[in-house]
Amino acid sequence: DQQVKQNSPSLSVQEGRISILNCDYTNSMFDYFLWYKKYPAEGPTFLISISSIKDKNEDGRFTVFLNKSAKHLSLHIVPSQPGDSAVYFCAASHNSGNTPLVFGKGTRLSVIA
Amino acid sequence: KAGVTQTPRYLIKTRGQQVTLSCSPISGHRSVSWYQQTPGQGLQFLFEYFSETQRNKGNFPGRFSGRQFSNSRSEMNVSTLELGDSALYLCASSAHRSDTQYFGPGTRLTVL
Repeated sequence: DQQVKQNSPSLSVQEGRISILNCDYTNSMFDYFLWYKKYPAEGPTFLISISSIKDKNEDGRFTVFLNKSAKHLSLHIVPSQPGDSAVYFCAASHNSGNTPLVFGKGTRLSVIA
Repeated sequence: KAGVTQTPRYLIKTRGQQVTLSCSPISGHRSVSWYQQTPGQGLQFLFEYFSETQRNKGNFPGRFSGRQFSNSRSEMNVSTLELGDSALYLCASSAHRSDTQYFGPGTRLTVL
């Protein structure tokens, strides 16, 4: 039973345009969500997080939106750059992060110059 | 600050052997978690240690075990290796249990 789902295995976007990566979850107890980026042969790198008390969090070119009623979150990257090409993982936990992270299977983003 | 370090980076073993992987967290971090990444299953939680105590364990067989030392360094051990144990093993550390986790580069284990 997959509690965190990233339904798009891959996404291609042109440089300068917006990239939107989506994530759905089924466990209504989740209250803390994160996005990680992973390059080949490296560990995941933390990008941005959001608590369930918010519906939006921004950090530079990255914005995460949370829709609790739909159990959906998305990561927006604007503008997309070739260096953003990587696999993006959505992760969730509950009890404000005191439980293990549950990861989606990732979305491979390719930003085309 | 130095990041999370994992040794070795690559390892090749044969079925039936055992293996020990090591993780040194970011200085000052006391929580260490381990994950297994495979192409089909993504990242799956193995266990979490905080203050030398296992706080959470994922759904893996007893062949997978771990420990944490007083300096917060952690090791995980896999006994009686199976072909399906071939994976990237990732360690992540955080200052406290509810803080953001930062990952190491991983150990790529290949079981032949």
